[in-house]
Amino acid sequence: EAQVTQNPRYLITVTGKKLTVTCSQNMNHEYMSWYRQDPGLGLRQIYYSMNVEVTDKGDVPEGYKVSRKEKRNFPLILESPSPNQTSLYFCASSLPRTRNSPLHFGNGTRLTVT
Amino acid sequence: LAKTTQPISMDSYEGQEVNITCSHNNIATNDYITWYQQFPSQGPRFIIQGYKTKVTNEVASLFIPADRKSSTLSLPRVSLSDTAVYYCLVGDAEIKAAGNKLTFGGGTRVLVKP
Repeated sequence: EAQVTQNPRYLITVTGKKLTVTCSQNMNHEYMSWYRQDPGLGLRQIYYSMNVEVTDKGDVPEGYKVSRKEKRNFPLILESPSPNQTSLYFCASSLPRTRNSPLHFGNGTRLTVT
Repeated sequence: LAKTTQPISMDSYEGQEVNITCSHNNIATNDYITWYQQFPSQGPRFIIQGYKTKVTNEVASLFIPADRKSSTLSLPRVSLSDTAVYYCLVGDAEIKAAGNKLTFGGGTRVLVKP
């Protein structure tokens, strides 16, 4: 089944403790991206990647890092999480953006930073 | 950036048709218009995509006027399970070396009542 898999689904951590949220897709998609969703603010893009080793900042990249060493994986790294990063996070993938192809989203990771 | 504007919320009743209009005055020549549906605690799900005139699939229709500065998602005969947030998305036409951002608007919360 074609899907985007995020792990974990739920995560509670403390300020400053490094964490990684994994994202994997099995559709051989070139494009991958991370969003955070907060009440009243909709979906905001954190980082995106057009292909392996090619990443760029979205609208809210501060406090986050990403890497794209393999085509199928696009982990989101919080080096020193803070409470304002408490949010619902979604990973998405698609064929190359130049083809305006639809995004496929994972089921989300709810992160709480205390 | 092709930003979008949608109504914040809409109420409807079972069996009625729901029409959601999205404004995108700065849409670029190559941009498609894509609509997503999101249920609580789930990732957005692709519904329909179009470039001009009318597109119809098994769940919705999309109407796009000639100037393409707006689009209307039409959900025929809604049921309670259509209660969700609906997002209109128009891709960023500026394709940089590392790809392009994708900015979601605030979405429209549709509540279907019995």
